[in-house]
Amino acid sequence: DAKTTQPPSMDCAEGRAANLPCNHSTISGNEYVYWYRQIHSQGPQYIIHGLKNNETNEMASLIITEDRKSSTLILPHATLRDTAVYYCIVRGFGNTGKLIFGQGTTLQVKP
Amino acid sequence: KAGVTQTPRYLIKTRGQQVTLSCSPISGHRSVSWYQQTPGQGLQFLFEYFSETQRNKGNFPGRFSGRQFSNSRSEMNVSTLELGDSALYLCASSLAGDFTEAFFGQGTRLTVV
Repeated sequence: DAKTTQPPSMDCAEGRAANLPCNHSTISGNEYVYWYRQIHSQGPQYIIHGLKNNETNEMASLIITEDRKSSTLILPHATLRDTAVYYCIVRGFGNTGKLIFGQGTTLQVKP
Repeated sequence: KAGVTQTPRYLIKTRGQQVTLSCSPISGHRSVSWYQQTPGQGLQFLFEYFSETQRNKGNFPGRFSGRQFSNSRSEMNVSTLELGDSALYLCASSLAGDFTEAFFGQGTRLTVV
């Protein structure tokens, strides 16, 4: 699975959009990009995933660049409850059931 | 529907002992994966079980083992506990362990003294 690079921390004002970047320059054609988050002392929570098209669900949007070497998770209206560690994971075939977590980005939403 | 249930939530053990942790996946899910989370190493994959068979394994010593029952419930066992085994142990369940989303339990906090 390709490695990912994320900034260690970011701040965001409550009510504003939070844009979390992820670099995955070695991603291959059949690898998906997944995002999870972990609120303090809880299990990680699935947010969204995509292959090459932009994706949106009730929690967030995922924007993947055309060359697929980077992506951005967008939380459209961040709240204090969105304060968490956000993990970007690249996952391919052959690693069923296995998620490789990096260090993630700690997002602090401030009032 | 009920989420992933892990028991117990907290556990204190002595070095050299063994411990068994339990995970009940979401009904209908056949894949269960286990992870260890420590402040130093972050979240690390231990192993995955699917239909009672270990399908994938991380880089952990043989002291860490697991199994899955016919109802998809899973247990992991750590023998000869070391201080460094103190961690949050998380399990995740998914329908088939492929590209479907994984749902995590709240974890078991193990402290080895």
